Amino acid sequence: SQTIHQWPATLVQPVGSPLSLECTVEGTSNPNLYWYRQAAGRGLQLLFYSVGIGQISSEVPQNLSASRPQDRQFILSSKKLLLSDSGFYLCAWSVPNNQPQHFGDGTRLSIL
Amino acid sequence: AQSVSQHNHHVILSEAASLELGCNYSYGGTVNLFWYVQYPGQHLQLLLKYFSGDPLVKGIKGFEAEFIKSKFSFNLRKPSVQWSDTAEYFCAVEGGSNYKLTFGKGTLLTVNP
Repeated sequence: SQTIHQWPATLVQPVGSPLSLECTVEGTSNPNLYWYRQAAGRGLQLLFYSVGIGQISSEVPQNLSASRPQDRQFILSSKKLLLSDSGFYLCAWSVPNNQPQHFGDGTRLSIL
Repeated sequence: AQSVSQHNHHVILSEAASLELGCNYSYGGTVNLFWYVQYPGQHLQLLLKYFSGDPLVKGIKGFEAEFIKSKFSFNLRKPSVQWSDTAEYFCAVEGGSNYKLTFGKGTLLTVNP
């Protein structure tokens, strides 16, 4: 069966520090991969999605970037974190052709 | 661009009451529709989905949703809620074949025992 792993579960970082959140999927090949940010009362906002290695689409211009160095690995990064980057970040995967997305447990990011 | 509107921010019910959570979307073409649920302290889980066919879809835990194309709606229903249904519920739309989900802002459901 397929599983998705996100880490770390929580992270506290100072303003201006770099960021790397990792997401990996097991049990499937060539999944679509997604990064979302969830804010209270605002639902989930799609940040990036990828349909293949090295293929990244950005939905919202901001201080973050994403990379997909391997088929089942999706990384969310920042060179210098801002206070506004605080939030709950979710990774998700799906297979093409009318299949739902499945979500990881999320990373709670606090910027001090 | 597609958008999703969930009418209620917070719904409070007593056990055994009936539930209906509203969801409306805006998108002119073919859509796939989803309801996700997030129980306290847990990850987001798929509750049910609609891709095509019978507009009344049944999901897990006794939930169902009806797709009414003319109203651009996909309301979630349950005849009798339980305390364990306390969670946040998200409606989501995938328009066309772009694989991108647009979520509503969520409805927090509190069921009192």
